[in-house]
Amino acid sequence: EADIYQTPRYLVIGTGKKITLECSQTMGHDKMYWYQQDPGMELHLIHYSYGVNSTEKGDLSSESTVSRIRTEHFPLTLESARPSHTSQYLCASSQQGPYGYTFGSGTRLTVV
Amino acid sequence: EDQVTQSPEALRLQEGESSSLNCSYTVSGLRGLFWYRQDPGKGPEFLFTLYSAGEEKEKERLKATLTKKESFLHITAPKPEDSATYLCAVQAGSSASKIIFGSGTRLSIRP
Repeated sequence: EADIYQTPRYLVIGTGKKITLECSQTMGHDKMYWYQQDPGMELHLIHYSYGVNSTEKGDLSSESTVSRIRTEHFPLTLESARPSHTSQYLCASSQQGPYGYTFGSGTRLTVV
Repeated sequence: EDQVTQSPEALRLQEGESSSLNCSYTVSGLRGLFWYRQDPGKGPEFLFTLYSAGEEKEKERLKATLTKKESFLHITAPKPEDSATYLCAVQAGSSASKIIFGSGTRLSIRP
């Protein structure tokens, strides 16, 4: 069974706090991605990585940052959370080549 | 510009009423077309990959087909548990590292 884990599942946090959303996969995939998705809306790519020490910004401008120090780990950090960051954040991974993504269950973030 | 368009935006069916969802694409050099199912509040679940025109894949009540311009997801005798948003995505040769997602079709099956 393909495993990609996101924690926390839900997070409510105050404005101005620094937060890190965790994403780990056990499949050895080189490629990893972060998407942002509001309820009933499209997926928007905010960051991606081709491998260790490789990170790129996606199509949607985001105030978040990512790092890829280990193949299996791709955390996303918000230095100062704002209510506009309230959304669902989805992590995904894939093999090299034309293969579909495997998604995590997501983190539902609410900034109050 | 690479583009993926799904229709209809929403579809309500009676249990047992078969129908099809459409995914039209315009890309430079299709490498793969993917179908996903997404339940509310969860991440998309992979269903199928199609690589070339004429290819078909089946899983339970779902069947995906592919032409040079579009893909269909056929749902035969659906059940209420098939209710979900179905997403289509394509990977193109011009941007091999990223997948382009459509906006999805929200399918609702009434008992």
